[in-house]
Amino acid sequence: AQSVTQLDSQVPVFEEAPVELRCNYSSSVSVYLFWYVQYPNQGLQLLLKYLSGSTLVKGINGFEAEFNKSQTSFHLRKPSVHISDTAEYFCAVRSTTTSGTYKYIFGTGTRLKVLA
Amino acid sequence: DVKVTQSSRYLVKRTGEKVFLECVQDMDHENMFWYRQDPGLGLRLIYFSYDVKMKEKGDIPEGYSVSREKKERFSLILESASTNQTSMYLCASSSRQGLGNTIYFGEGSWLTVV
Repeated sequence: AQSVTQLDSQVPVFEEAPVELRCNYSSSVSVYLFWYVQYPNQGLQLLLKYLSGSTLVKGINGFEAEFNKSQTSFHLRKPSVHISDTAEYFCAVRSTTTSGTYKYIFGTGTRLKVLA
Repeated sequence: DVKVTQSSRYLVKRTGEKVFLECVQDMDHENMFWYRQDPGLGLRLIYFSYDVKMKEKGDIPEGYSVSREKKERFSLILESASTNQTSMYLCASSSRQGLGNTIYFGEGSWLTVV
């Protein structure tokens, strides 16, 4: 079964500093990967997704992620964070089920805390 | 705009009660999901449905059941609520068409069982 691992449960970073949130996935022939963000007391919203093609994916709010097949990683980056980026970030992979449909497997999340 | 609506944001129920969590999506999506979110555990899939009246167990189905009588509506049922089911419940939906489809989430339902 496919899975994702988020290595860091919490990442504190100062405002305007760069940040990288790490995600590793279990190897598969084809893989669809996602990053979602959750602000306090809200549901999750899509930041970006990798389907195929260019390994560098750009998302909303200045975030980007790089798909690295040899390292089975899909790390999320932002060159300069803002206080408003404080949130929880989830990496996810789409997995095909026995019935031929899809389900989405999420990591345990990384809590990004931006400090003034 | 995409919309997944969960009927209750905050619920408090007593141990042993039967609890219904309702979710409606307006995007004509085939797939609907119920996740449970707990600190340090991320999102865990309880059940999902890929068509009306069709369902599959996720990773933690014990103590839960689901119902999908109409395409737009997916209900999560706690047959006899217990305190260890106190959690945030998230409903989501996605299309089955195409590749790598985005999954859309509702705002979540906070359930406290006392």
